[in-house]
Parts: sequence; C-alpha cells; structure tokens
Amino acid sequence: EAGVTQFPSHSVIEKGQTVTLRCDPISGHDNLYWYRRVMGKEIKFLLHFVKESKQDESGMPNNRFLAERTGGTYSTLKVQPAELEDSGVYFCASSQDSPRRSGNTIYFGEGSWLTVV
Amino acid sequence: RKEVEQDPGPFNVPEGATVAFNCTYSNSASQSFFWYRQDCRKEPKLLMSVYSSGNEDGRFTAQLNRASQYISLLIRDSKLSDSATYLCVVIRMDSSYKLIFGSGTRLLVRP
Repeated sequence: EAGVTQFPSHSVIEKGQTVTLRCDPISGHDNLYWYRRVMGKEIKFLLHFVKESKQDESGMPNNRFLAERTGGTYSTLKVQPAELEDSGVYFCASSQDSPRRSGNTIYFGEGSWLTVV
Repeated sequence: RKEVEQDPGPFNVPEGATVAFNCTYSNSASQSFFWYRQDCRKEPKLLMSVYSSGNEDGRFTAQLNRASQYISLLIRDSKLSDSATYLCVVIRMDSSYKLIFGSGTRLLVRP
C-alpha cells in the first residue's frame, strides 16, 4: 500500500515567489495534516483537514499560507509570497482516526524541503 | 518555554550500551504520549506509544510519570541501526488530533 506522498521533495525559490506543495494521503484516510520544521526548531502543527473541511488551522503562521483539500483527496499548501523564514521542511501526514485512539497512527510523508533565497 | 522539552544530545554510545532519554511536558492537559523516531532527512515514524503503567517493546521501554509530567525511553543493547533522533510527542485532551513535538534527542551508536 502506498504511503503518504509529497511533491516536490525539494524546492528552491526566491523571496517573493510562490510555491505550491502537494500531498497525497494514504487511501481511505479522511484526516490529513500539515506540519513543518524550520531551522533549529521543533516540528510544529499547521492544520488539520477532515475530508475537505478544515478542522483546525490554528498553526498556520499567517495569511501568506493557504491550504486546500478539494474533494477530500489530495491537499495543497501554497506559500505566497514566500519569505526567507519560510525555509524548512513541510511534512504532510494522514490518519484514519484520532491518534489518541488505540491503533490509529499518524503516518508522515518524507517531507517537502523548501529553501527561500 | 517549550511545551515539550528534551535534551538535544547528541548521545554518543558504543554498541551494546543502554541509553535513556528524558522528556518533560508542561501542559497538565496532555493526555497521550508517544516516542517517534526520525532518521536523518526522513519523516518521523511512530516508535511506540507510552502508557501509564509503562510498556516495553523488545529492547525499548517507555515510562510515564504523570505527577512529574515526565516521560522516558530506555534502549537496551544499542544497535548501530538505533542511530537516529528520538522525538517525544504529546497530545492534549482538548485537541485529540494535534501532535506536539519536542525538539528531539539525537543518538549516535558507534561500533
């Protein structure tokens, strides 16, 4: 079974440009998450989708970040315009149910490494 | 202050050694606890959940002390393949889907 896949794996863009990251969750997983780790910091939650609905977007840093999940399948995270401090690795993850419930693991993709220069 | 604190390490140990990692969390509403493992430039992967009574999985033992808000991971008989960053993760009662990560402790196991 395919895991969580992310594209692109690496991206280098100039400050002010736009980047769109894509995530395909594990088939059948209604819950999709975006996390990110910036240099020297811990991995932090950005937002959570249940199907196509945003359940929690409390971790989104500002309005330069826009996440969508049209149709409840894959998701995109757009950064526009990108700033230097947006550099880091963006992880997508998915799960069938809450990770608090026994047997429900959150599976992470390998991440999209973003460098803004 | 970070909500989940870990010693960043690195812990540099010989093969066969026993190594212990500690983690403290500051929010008393934390309800679920996990250890994740992350290899260099890879994604985090669940190593084990941590239960109140403590639990063991092969060479790995996890302990939870709710009163002290403290979590530990013990690795016995370290292998070269155990070299990785170990992430302490909690979930709060009021947010059952959001993982809160520590910064991780790096482990290097040498031959």
